[in-house]
Amino acid sequence: ELKVEQNPLFLSMQEEKNYTIYCNYSTTSDRLYWYRQDPGKSLESLFVLLSNGAVKQEGRLMASLDTKARLSTLHITAAVHDLSATYFCAAVNAGGTSYGKLTFGQGTILTVHP
Amino acid sequence: EAQVTQNPRYLITVTGKKLTVTCSQNMNHEYMSWYRQDPGLGLRQIYYSMNVEVTDKGDVPEGYKVSRKEKRNFPLILESPSPNQTSLYFCASSLSSVVPAFFGQGTRLTVV
Repeated sequence: ELKVEQNPLFLSMQEEKNYTIYCNYSTTSDRLYWYRQDPGKSLESLFVLLSNGAVKQEGRLMASLDTKARLSTLHITAAVHDLSATYFCAAVNAGGTSYGKLTFGQGTILTVHP
Repeated sequence: EAQVTQNPRYLITVTGKKLTVTCSQNMNHEYMSWYRQDPGLGLRQIYYSMNVEVTDKGDVPEGYKVSRKEKRNFPLILESPSPNQTSLYFCASSLSSVVPAFFGQGTRLTVV
């Protein structure tokens, strides 16, 4: 069974600082997604990572994937208040009876302070 | 505008009173699914559908029913809601896989 764990679950950052959210998954996955959720809102897709070594960047967010370590990271550069949200990673199961199913991590609640 | 529409957005009900949360998409997507979101647990899939009249259980199907009589609609039915079904529910759709491309706005359900 594929399990996805995020770390940390709560992150309080100062503006202009850098930080990384980690996403570990337990079995083989062929796709890794990152989503953002603003309070009271739906999920918005940020990145899809399809292969080992994949790196995607948008603005102050950069996501990467290491399939050998079963690890994805979401790096935040020079945080601003607008980045305050909950971030989810999710992995697609690449084998077994749950092939193709998406499993979410617990979510990381990010708060950026002045 | 491409969208997934859920109704209602907020619902408070009593234990045992049957309810339906509607979900409709206007993108002619084959795949639709329901998730529940609980603090510290992320989103967990309840049911999904690959096409009209084709549905399957997700990770937490107990206490829920779904139907897919038309391609655009995928209602979630709670025949006898219980307090442990208090949660935030999302409907989602995708053209070609069970991985969601679009999410609805969410339905916050409270069962007392």
